[in-house]
Amino acid sequence: GEDVEQSLFLSVREGDSSVINCTYTDSSSTYLYWYKQEPGAGLQLLTYIFSNMDMKQDQRLTVLLNKKDKHLSLRIADTQTGDSAIYFCAESRNQGGKLIFGQGTELSVKP
Amino acid sequence: GAGVSQSPSNKVTEKGKDVELRCDPISGHTALYWYRQRLGQGLEFLIYFQGNSAPDKSGLPSDRFSAERTGESVSTLTIQRTQQEDSAVYLCASSEGTGGGYTFGSGTRLTVV
Repeated sequence: GEDVEQSLFLSVREGDSSVINCTYTDSSSTYLYWYKQEPGAGLQLLTYIFSNMDMKQDQRLTVLLNKKDKHLSLRIADTQTGDSAIYFCAESRNQGGKLIFGQGTELSVKP
Repeated sequence: GAGVSQSPSNKVTEKGKDVELRCDPISGHTALYWYRQRLGQGLEFLIYFQGNSAPDKSGLPSDRFSAERTGESVSTLTIQRTQQEDSAVYLCASSEGTGGGYTFGSGTRLTVV
């Protein structure tokens, strides 16, 4: 079956690193995504990783994939107050297929 | 267009009325998706169109929900005989269908009173 799980809340201090975790159940997942949703706004694609990769880095963002454990994480270095948002993990089984989303992790960054 | 456009941005309707929500995808994107986001919750998949293939309707919650797409252009999501539990933000996304990024619209906030 298809299921994506995330913890609901994370609170960090400005300047610290944030790590948001996600687990999924579908071993056929080929693409895994991280989206950001700010209050009252749509979803913004942050980054995605193909299942044959185990790490992807893009500026302050690092995505780690443990395919054996079906565990995905998003690390945000030097977290800023502007990073406060809800972060959604999502997976798709095939190219261009439907996305299955987690319930989102609300990141709160305190000054 | 430059992005995915949805209209209306807000819709208030009376229980029992029908509503139509519209999505204009990015030009050239072959795939189009509808999702529902209830307050404080994640995104729930509704329906997915890919080119001329039969749509994946597996997420539609009841037969009151239907969607159409003509070719690779505009899509409409119709909810008949709306109920209060239909209140949510309805999000549309489009993609090139090759597994890269999906671009989301800003959504239509539907309130059934």
